[in-house]
Amino acid sequence: AQSVTQLGSHVSVSEGALVLLRCNYSSSVPPYLFWYVQYPNQGLQLLLKYTTGATLVKGINGFEAEFKKSETSFHLTKPSAHMSDAAEYFCAVSDRNGFNKFYFGSGTKLNVKP
Amino acid sequence: KAGVTQTPRYLIKTRGQQVTLSCSPISGHRSVSWYQQTPGQGLQFLFEYFSETQRNKGNFPGRFSGRQFSNSRSEMNVSTLELGDSALYLCASSPATAGEETQYFGPGTRLLVL
Repeated sequence: AQSVTQLGSHVSVSEGALVLLRCNYSSSVPPYLFWYVQYPNQGLQLLLKYTTGATLVKGINGFEAEFKKSETSFHLTKPSAHMSDAAEYFCAVSDRNGFNKFYFGSGTKLNVKP
Repeated sequence: KAGVTQTPRYLIKTRGQQVTLSCSPISGHRSVSWYQQTPGQGLQFLFEYFSETQRNKGNFPGRFSGRQFSNSRSEMNVSTLELGDSALYLCASSPATAGEETQYFGPGTRLLVL
């Protein structure tokens, strides 16, 4: 079975600073890769995904992520944090077998300091 | 298109009771997945339904069951509720076509078991 590791359950940055949230997956065959964001008392919203093609993926709200096969990583970045980015972020993977089974990381809570 | 809807949004039950949660997927989506989210365990996959058939199942006891109707709407049932079943239950729908397995989440049903 797949496993997804998000390094750092809590990350704190200053407004305007770089955001870097880390995600590593376990499988030898690259899966589909996703980042979701969850605001308090809400469901999960898709930020971006990688299925095939260009390894640098751009998402909503200025976020982007780069798929690195050699490192089995899919880290999420944003050049300049905004107060509204404070939320919990989840990395998820789905096997490429068409069976739509998702594996989620444990989540990283991002705090943005003024 | 309208998003994924879940009803009810909040629910309070007592131990031993049973509960049914409902999920209406995005129009045209044939796959519906259910997740349990708790502070201690994070996001845990319950099951996935596709064309009225359970296609994937997580590691939950038989007290947790679900079904999907011909219009792709899904229900989840928990019998003999325990205190530990208090959680946010998230439903996600997906087109589940090749290469397009993004899951779109509803706002969740928050269940409190007293």
